[in-house]
Amino acid sequence: EIVMTQSPATLSVSPGERATLSCRASQSVSSNLAWYQQKSGQAPRLLIYGASTRATGIPARFSGSGSGIEFTLTISSLQSEDFAVYYCQQYNNWPPGENTFGQGTKLEI
Amino acid sequence: EVQLVESGGGLVQPGGSLRLSCAASGFTFSSYWMYWVRQAPGKGPVWVSRIYNDGSIANYADSLKGRFTISRDNAKNTLYLQMNSLRAEDTAVYYCARGYCTNGICSVFDYWGQGTLVTVSS
Repeated sequence: EIVMTQSPATLSVSPGERATLSCRASQSVSSNLAWYQQKSGQAPRLLIYGASTRATGIPARFSGSGSGIEFTLTISSLQSEDFAVYYCQQYNNWPPGENTFGQGTKLEI
Repeated sequence: EVQLVESGGGLVQPGGSLRLSCAASGFTFSSYWMYWVRQAPGKGPVWVSRIYNDGSIANYADSLKGRFTISRDNAKNTLYLQMNSLRAEDTAVYYCARGYCTNGICSVFDYWGQGTLVTVSS
């Protein structure tokens, strides 16, 4: 079973600044890694798949990088609507047995 | 516009059963793998189950141990989750999600419903 670990658990950043979120897999997932954003009371929203491809309608300030076991989500200039919880998800190993998501990073002001 | 609308959640006693539904619209339902994902209060999402587009194959998270059954009716554009022998730890918001295919893998969740809350308590 692949375990996804996100860091930090909470990241405090000011609007306009850059945020860098990390996700590490316990074994290689190639580039089969997605990122989701979840705001309070809402369903998760797909941001990035294939480690670096933005989903439809996602602003260019969101970018993803990495392959293998280390991945990064970068938000270049934080807007007020970006403060949320972010989850990574591996889809290289399926079915995953148990969870396919990381535990999340809360991005707060 | 792609829409996924879950229903069927509610309060159930431990050991009871519920059947969730997810009505899909705005896309060719029969072409997509579909998923159930749940999220306990204050926790991250957890994959529950998936079903192939034609219903031929279904998979489940190990911890469910045969208590849940996923199914679909492509004629009605509807996904189901039958949940039996419910436990307190099954309390969560249950989401249905569409599986987007990339690089031959259809396990990216590109659209989600709004979720339906299942509470297991006496």
